[in-house]
Amino acid sequence: NAGVTQTPKFQVLKTGQSMTLQCAQDMNHNSMYWYRQDPGMGLRLIYYSASEGTTDKGEVPNGYNVSRLNKREFSLRLESAAPSQTSVYFCASSEAFFRGGEKLFFGSGTQLSVL
Amino acid sequence: RKEVEQDPGPFNVPEGATVAFNCTYSNSASQSFFWYRQDCRKEPKLLMSVYSSGNEDGRFTAQLNRASQYISLLIRDSKLSDSATYLCVVNLSPGYSSASKIIFGSGTRLSIRP
Repeated sequence: NAGVTQTPKFQVLKTGQSMTLQCAQDMNHNSMYWYRQDPGMGLRLIYYSASEGTTDKGEVPNGYNVSRLNKREFSLRLESAAPSQTSVYFCASSEAFFRGGEKLFFGSGTQLSVL
Repeated sequence: RKEVEQDPGPFNVPEGATVAFNCTYSNSASQSFFWYRQDCRKEPKLLMSVYSSGNEDGRFTAQLNRASQYISLLIRDSKLSDSATYLCVVNLSPGYSSASKIIFGSGTRLSIRP
C-alpha cells in the first residue's frame, strides 16, 4: 500500500517561478497537512485541512496556497517562489487515536531549492 | 514565544546511558501530546503518545504534566539505534469535530556513542 505519496521528490526553482507540490493519500483519512522543515529545525505547519473543501492556516502560511481537491489529494502552491522558501516539504494525513489525538502519516518529502 | 519548545541538544551519551528530554507547550487548551522520531533526511515517525497517567513502551517512558504544561521522554539503556532527532508534538485541536492543528517542537538531537 502506498500510504502518502508526494511529488516531486526534488525541485529547483528560480526566484519568482511558481509550482505546485502534489500530495495524495490512500488511507481514507479526513485530515491532511503540509509542513516545511528547514535545516536543524523542527517541522512548521503551513496549512491543514479537516476535510474536502476546508483548509486552515498553520504557523507559516504566507507565500503559500493550498487546495483540498477531494478526500485523497491536498496540493500546496507557491505562486512566486522566494529563496526563503528553500526547504524540505512534508505532506501528512492523520487518523484518530481511540484515546484522543491524531496519528500522522508522512510522505517522504520534497526537497525544494529556490535560487 | 513558540507554542512548543524543546531542549535543543544535541545530547551525546554513551551506549547504555539513560537520557531525558523535556518539552513545554504554551496553550493550556492543548488536547493531546506525542513524541515522534526522525532519522536524518527521513520523514518523522510516531514513537509514542503521552498521557497524564504516564505511559511506557519498553525502554521508553513518556510523561505529561498538564499543570506545568510539560512533557518528558525518558530513554533507558540507550542503544546505538536510538540516535535520531526526537520531536515533541502537541495537538491544539479545539474540539472533536474541528480540524487538528498539530504543532511540532524544534527537536532534540540524540547521538549514542559506543
